[in-house]
Amino acid sequence: DVKVTQSSRYLVKRTGEKVFLECVQDMDHENMFWYRQDPGLGLRLIYFSYDVKMKEKGDIPEGYSVSREKKERFSLILESASTNQTSMYLCASSLMDRVGYGYTFGSGTRLTVV
Amino acid sequence: DQQVKQNSPSLSVQEGRISILNCDYTNSMFDYFLWYKKYPAEGPTFLISISSIKDKNEDGRFTVFLNKSAKHLSLHIVPSQPGDSAVYFCAATSNDYKLSFGAGTTVTVRA
Repeated sequence: DVKVTQSSRYLVKRTGEKVFLECVQDMDHENMFWYRQDPGLGLRLIYFSYDVKMKEKGDIPEGYSVSREKKERFSLILESASTNQTSMYLCASSLMDRVGYGYTFGSGTRLTVV
Repeated sequence: DQQVKQNSPSLSVQEGRISILNCDYTNSMFDYFLWYKKYPAEGPTFLISISSIKDKNEDGRFTVFLNKSAKHLSLHIVPSQPGDSAVYFCAATSNDYKLSFGAGTTVTVRA
């Protein structure tokens, strides 16, 4: 089974802090994604990557950046955390040519910015 | 502007009865549609999908129907079981590897 592991289940950070959310997948998937889930808004795409060192903006990239130095690892960076970035963050991965089978998601990181 | 819409935030159904979840989309370029199920404190898991060349796909108790002319799809769960209580997300893609998700529908199955 493909496994997508997010390093933290819960995080509490202060406004203005730089925050790193880490995601690792173990099945050699080319594509990796970061979404945030908010009530009434569903899952919204922040950034995605289809190859090492490649990244593309999703629908809501403002206030975020990403890093993909190795194929298995995709990091989401909040440059200066703000309270409106309090959310559930979900990492996902997929094979390049198997989008029809959907993504494999991690368990999520619940981030609270105070 | 959400391209995938789930207009019912919640659904309550009795155990053994049918659950019908609805989803509408606006992007005519979407050609693949998926349903995900999410339990609290877990990531979403893939449930069932359908290609735009089909109008129905069945997997056990789960059936997805697609009406392309109406830009509408639905998920039927028959019979509903207590373990089906979860949030269900509709998703769509135009094969550019990105999925667009709806807001989700919370299903509660009553014993």
